Amino acid sequence: AQSVSQHNHHVILSEAASLELGCNYSYGGTVNLFWYVQYPGQHLQLLLKYFSGDPLVKGIKGFEAEFIKSKFSFNLRKPSVQWSDTAEYFCAVGLTSGTYKYIFGTGTRLKVLA
Amino acid sequence: EAQVTQNPRYLITVTGKKLTVTCSQNMNHEYMSWYRQDPGLGLRQIYYSMNVEVTDKGDVPEGYKVSRKEKRNFPLILESPSPNQTSLYFCASSLIPTPGSYEQYFGPGTRLTVT
Repeated sequence: AQSVSQHNHHVILSEAASLELGCNYSYGGTVNLFWYVQYPGQHLQLLLKYFSGDPLVKGIKGFEAEFIKSKFSFNLRKPSVQWSDTAEYFCAVGLTSGTYKYIFGTGTRLKVLA
Repeated sequence: EAQVTQNPRYLITVTGKKLTVTCSQNMNHEYMSWYRQDPGLGLRQIYYSMNVEVTDKGDVPEGYKVSRKEKRNFPLILESPSPNQTSLYFCASSLIPTPGSYEQYFGPGTRLTVT
């Protein structure tokens, strides 16, 4: 079965620290990859997405992610986090071959200390 | 303003009492979907719809029904709610899911408690 794994469930960082959140998926076909963010009390919004082309994609608010096909990974990074980045981050895969399911990881709660 | 709306936002009900959570989008999106969010489990897809009268199961469809009679609306129906359906529910929509155009727009969520 298709799945998405996020290995970091809770992360605590100080402001200006670098961030990397891991995401691995299990699906052999073509995938659409996404990172969403959920700020406290708000609904999910898109950070960035990847389908093809340059495996290093840039999103909003200084976030970027790297697709490594051989590792089935799509890790999220930010060089210097801010207090306002405190949120829950979800990796997701959108399938487009045979099924149109959308599969989310379990999420990573990031807390940034001022 | 482009948006996905859900109603009600909060609902407390009792076991077995049928309920419907409405979802509507004004972006003319073909794809609509329902998710439940539970602590430690992330979001899990319940049902999705590719267009009017076209629906399919997600990963956790048991105990839920959906219908898509109009393009803009995608209600979620719990015929006989049980306490294990207590959760935070999100509706989402997107353009037809072709590669590269599949990001979803989410509603504000409905917090359901079944006692």
